[in-house]
Amino acid sequence: DGGITQSPKYLFRKEGQNVTLSCEQNLNHDAMYWYRQDPGQGLRLIYYSQIVNDFQKGDIAEGYSVSREKKESFPLTVTSAQKNPTAFYLCASTDRVLNTEAFFGQGTRLTVV
Amino acid sequence: DQQVKQNSPSLSVQEGRISILNCDYTNSMFDYFLWYKKYPAEGPTFLISISSIKDKNEDGRFTVFLNKSAKHLSLHIVPSQPGDSAVYFCAASARYNAGNMLTFGGGTRLMVKP
Repeated sequence: DGGITQSPKYLFRKEGQNVTLSCEQNLNHDAMYWYRQDPGQGLRLIYYSQIVNDFQKGDIAEGYSVSREKKESFPLTVTSAQKNPTAFYLCASTDRVLNTEAFFGQGTRLTVV
Repeated sequence: DQQVKQNSPSLSVQEGRISILNCDYTNSMFDYFLWYKKYPAEGPTFLISISSIKDKNEDGRFTVFLNKSAKHLSLHIVPSQPGDSAVYFCAASARYNAGNMLTFGGGTRLMVKP
């Protein structure tokens, strides 16, 4: 079954630590995205990548970093520079050629303790 | 500056009645609009979409209407069912200018009462 997988589902981090969230897709999609959702708020774009080895900052990229070494994978690192990292993180992918809707993973809830 | 707005954070509807969720946008470059449904602690799932060349798209109980001149779209769910209770996000993209990058509204929480 094709889909997009995020891991882990829950993640706890101590203040000052970097942590990496995994996102893998087997849909053969070119484009991948990271969004953040805070309670009662919409989805805000952190980073996106339209093609391997290329990525662009979204609206709230500060304190985050990404890499796109493989088409299937788009990991997000939440660095210690992110002032308020506790949130629900969502990864998505789209097929740029077919212009289909975005498919989302199940999300990772990150809590700073 | 929010390019996509959902001005009603919540909506309560009786089972069997119509639910109408609204969305406004400001960017005239948007040419594709989508609605997503989201349950707590899960990723959004795609519900229905509409291209800017249309003004209506229907899929079963769900219909999306687009008014380009008003930069407004709405999602109608009829009849509403308790299982429809979720947060609904409106999203827009400028497909031929910025790929499929989606800009989301803030969401509307729909509660369908039995």
